[in-house]
Amino acid sequence: QSALTQPRSVSGSPGQSVTISCTGTSSDVGFYNFVAWYQQLPGKAPKLLIYGVSERPSGVPDRFSGSKSGNTASLTISGLQAEDEADYYCCSYAGSSSVLFGGGTKLTVL
Amino acid sequence: QVQLQESGPGLVKPSETLSLTCTVSGGSISSYYWSWIRQPPGKGLEWIGYIYTTGSTNYNPSLKSRVTMSVDTSKNQFSLKLSSVTAADTAVYYCARLSGWDLPNWGQGTLVTVSS
Repeated sequence: QSALTQPRSVSGSPGQSVTISCTGTSSDVGFYNFVAWYQQLPGKAPKLLIYGVSERPSGVPDRFSGSKSGNTASLTISGLQAEDEADYYCCSYAGSSSVLFGGGTKLTVL
Repeated sequence: QVQLQESGPGLVKPSETLSLTCTVSGGSISSYYWSWIRQPPGKGLEWIGYIYTTGSTNYNPSLKSRVTMSVDTSKNQFSLKLSSVTAADTAVYYCARLSGWDLPNWGQGTLVTVSS
């Protein structure tokens, strides 16, 4: 099982929107609707942002949204804010009770 | 809100066994799934596996031969053992609660360095 593929970095200016992609295969992202996204601020533990492809846990702003098309999931952050600067990881169920993470994407707010 | 805290040695010698414990507070450990995830310095997250409170486990195939997880419901704790460690096992180790296939609650993480 290989890690899910994410861009190493993305950037955007305050107020703009950015989208982070997460590409898997027809055995993980493409087959199951168990895609999650995590935000990791510097020196902190990851925080669940999105689960079930597009659901937000209580307390997560609606600026964060998730979607999926085929073998690729996406996280979109709209109305970018300085505090959104962090690493973002996608995660998918991959069958046989296993989970795969993406390699992570560093978001820079310009 | 459940809270998790990892504990264990921060330094382990090569070829020895890494042992960590996660203490759960703010709720019972029973009837939930619990996971370990690690993150090498400057790198991404890696799923290690999970344990249910009955003791049922599932491990990452790449680590399966070296991983053992256990649970102690009387202490509200679960544990990780990773044998025959090398420098490649140096990482921040996180414990987390597994809900469905999501990880809504995480510990703060503990750095384990493998070095002689």
